[in-house]
Amino acid sequence: DGGITQSPKYLFRKEGQNVTLSCEQNLNHDAMYWYRQDPGQGLRLIYYSQIVNDFQKGDIAEGYSVSREKKESFPLTVTSAQKNPTAFYLCASSPQQGASRSGYTFGSGTRLTVV
Amino acid sequence: KNQVEQSPQSLIILEGKNCTLQCNYTVSPFSNLRWYKQDTGRGPVSLTIMTFSENTKSNGRYTATLDADTKQSSLHITASQLSDSASYICVVGREGNTPLVFGKGTRLSVIA
Repeated sequence: DGGITQSPKYLFRKEGQNVTLSCEQNLNHDAMYWYRQDPGQGLRLIYYSQIVNDFQKGDIAEGYSVSREKKESFPLTVTSAQKNPTAFYLCASSPQQGASRSGYTFGSGTRLTVV
Repeated sequence: KNQVEQSPQSLIILEGKNCTLQCNYTVSPFSNLRWYKQDTGRGPVSLTIMTFSENTKSNGRYTATLDADTKQSSLHITASQLSDSASYICVVGREGNTPLVFGKGTRLSVIA
């Protein structure tokens, strides 16, 4: 089955540590995205990538970093510079951006908690 | 500024009743509008998509409408079920190579 997989589902991090969230897709999609969702809030775009080895900052990129070395993979690193990292993180992919009738396919999310 | 506003923020209805969720947007240039359903702790799943020329789209008990002139959309849920309890997110796509614009969602609770 084609899909997008996020791991782990739950992640705990000590303050001051970096942590990497995994996102893998086998849909052959060109574009991939990372969103952050806080309770009662909408999705906020962290980073997105349209092609391999290229990515752009979203609305709240500070304290985060990404890489796109392979088409299938778009890992997100939450660095110690992110002041309030506890949130639900969603990864998504699409055949192309914006006007695509296929829309986004989302992963099932990773809940990150700082302890 | 490209924005999507949804109302109400939350809604509680009895099982079997109908409800309508609202979405207003100021996104341009407009390409399409989607409604997503997000269960708690899960990723959003697409319900409907409409382009500029479409003013209604159904998916089972879900019916979405679009008025591109007033930049408004609604999602009507008929004969609600307990499984309809979720957040419903209005999402607008722009022409060109830019990310989708998300509303904050309406949290729907269906109670027995």
